[in-house]
Amino acid sequence: DGGITQSPKYLFRKEGQNVTLSCEQNLNHDAMYWYRQDPGQGLRLIYYSQIVNDFQKGDIAEGYSVSREKKESFPLTVTSAQKNPTAFYLCASKPGGGGYTFGSGTRLTVV
Amino acid sequence: GNSVTQMEGPVTLSEEAFLTINCTYTATGYPSLFWYVQYPGEGLQLLLKATKADDKGSNKGFEATYRKETTSFHLEKGSVQVSDSAVYFCASPLYNFNKFYFGSGTKLNVKP
Repeated sequence: DGGITQSPKYLFRKEGQNVTLSCEQNLNHDAMYWYRQDPGQGLRLIYYSQIVNDFQKGDIAEGYSVSREKKESFPLTVTSAQKNPTAFYLCASKPGGGGYTFGSGTRLTVV
Repeated sequence: GNSVTQMEGPVTLSEEAFLTINCTYTATGYPSLFWYVQYPGEGLQLLLKATKADDKGSNKGFEATYRKETTSFHLEKGSVQVSDSAVYFCASPLYNFNKFYFGSGTKLNVKP
C-alpha cells in the first residue's frame, strides 16, 4: 500500500547535537512538507518542496535544514541552532491538486 | 488576510450527543476545503473534503457542507462516540495551492 513512512517514531537528542528525521513516500507525490506540532498546539510549517532539488522555507525554518535529492525522500535535520527542538514532527506529501497525506510523526525530545 | 479559523476547544460531549465544530475561511474565490482528524500520538488523517461551493463531504458519520455565502465548512456528527475523541483540523489551500493553511485544531472529548 502507498503511504508515508517517518522514522524513527521516537528520537532523543543531546544538547548541541544535530539529528536527522527521515520521511519517505511511495505515493509518487511531487510536493512534500515538514510541520512542527507543540503540545496542544496547531501545525507550523518548517520547510516544503515542490520538486526534486528545490525547497522553500516555511514559517519557522530557523535551526532546521532539508534536502530533496529524490522524489521519494525529504529528510529534515534539526541542528544545534534550534534552541527548543522538543516537539512532534509531521511529514506530509501532496499531489498537484489534492489533499495532504501525513506520516505518523516523530517525537523528538532533548535530553 | 487569507486564513482558516476554527472554534476553540476543548469540546466535551456525552456519548450520542450532537457535534458541531465551526470553521470559516477568508480567501478570494472558492478554494477546496478539508477536515483532518488526529488521534493521540498519531499523524493527521483526511476525514472529508469538498472541492467546490455547495458540495457536502461525508465520512464515518461526519458531514460538512461548503457554504460560500458564509465562507464556512462546519463539521457535524449526529451522534458522537467515545472513539471520536481526537483533535480536528480544518484546512484549505486558500489562494496558494502549493501549501495548505490549517486552523488551530479543536480537541473533542467524548465521555461515556
